[in-house]
Amino acid sequence: DTAVSQTPKYLVTQMGNDKSIKCEQNLGHDTMYWYKQDSKKFLKIMFSYNNKELIINETVPNRFSPKSPDKAHLNLHINSLELGDSAVYFCASSQGSGRTADTQYFGPGTRLTVL
Amino acid sequence: DQQVKQNSPSLSVQEGRISILNCDYTNSMFDYFLWYKKYPAEGPTFLISISSIKDKNEDGRFTVFLNKSAKHLSLHIVPSQPGDSAVYFCAASASFGNEKLTFGTGTRLTIIP
Repeated sequence: DTAVSQTPKYLVTQMGNDKSIKCEQNLGHDTMYWYKQDSKKFLKIMFSYNNKELIINETVPNRFSPKSPDKAHLNLHINSLELGDSAVYFCASSQGSGRTADTQYFGPGTRLTVL
Repeated sequence: DQQVKQNSPSLSVQEGRISILNCDYTNSMFDYFLWYKKYPAEGPTFLISISSIKDKNEDGRFTVFLNKSAKHLSLHIVPSQPGDSAVYFCAASASFGNEKLTFGTGTRLTIIP
């Protein structure tokens, strides 16, 4: 009974392609996040949404566009993939508003490899 | 500018002994701190947290200590078990504004049977 799930787990694609990663949480949380873990294993936030509203948008290229159809889902669409986009992407969720400190629960990650 | 630092990339501890993982931070606005544990090919799993109004929080074998004046926190695991072998991430957050977790780079803990 997975709390935060992501699909796919692995994604291998060519440079220039467009791809999406899906995330769903069944915890009833109001806030969801996307993190990127780069080759140096550094986990860094990209976006957060609270009840479908964008809360955090870090300095991320416009090629990355999050989409939240409802508060249980936050998908990440990436246009014109580049080699530097290769990383592990983690989705997370938390109970709070996303505006105050709160414990976040993570999905298993999606390893994206751009060739 | 790395605001949360874990200066030991790896640590090996004998089974049954105490494991101490350290974390330093620079941002004085941080007031909520968490430790996450991560196994290979899995997402980080929440372990324990502490608010800045406390200096210690305990949960079973895990205890987190916070020294605000030194901007330092540590995670103690006692006794250490083989299943504790994982990468441990320290994370910090501030209560005001649009808050996010800022993570350290992790410490790989290996428990030697």
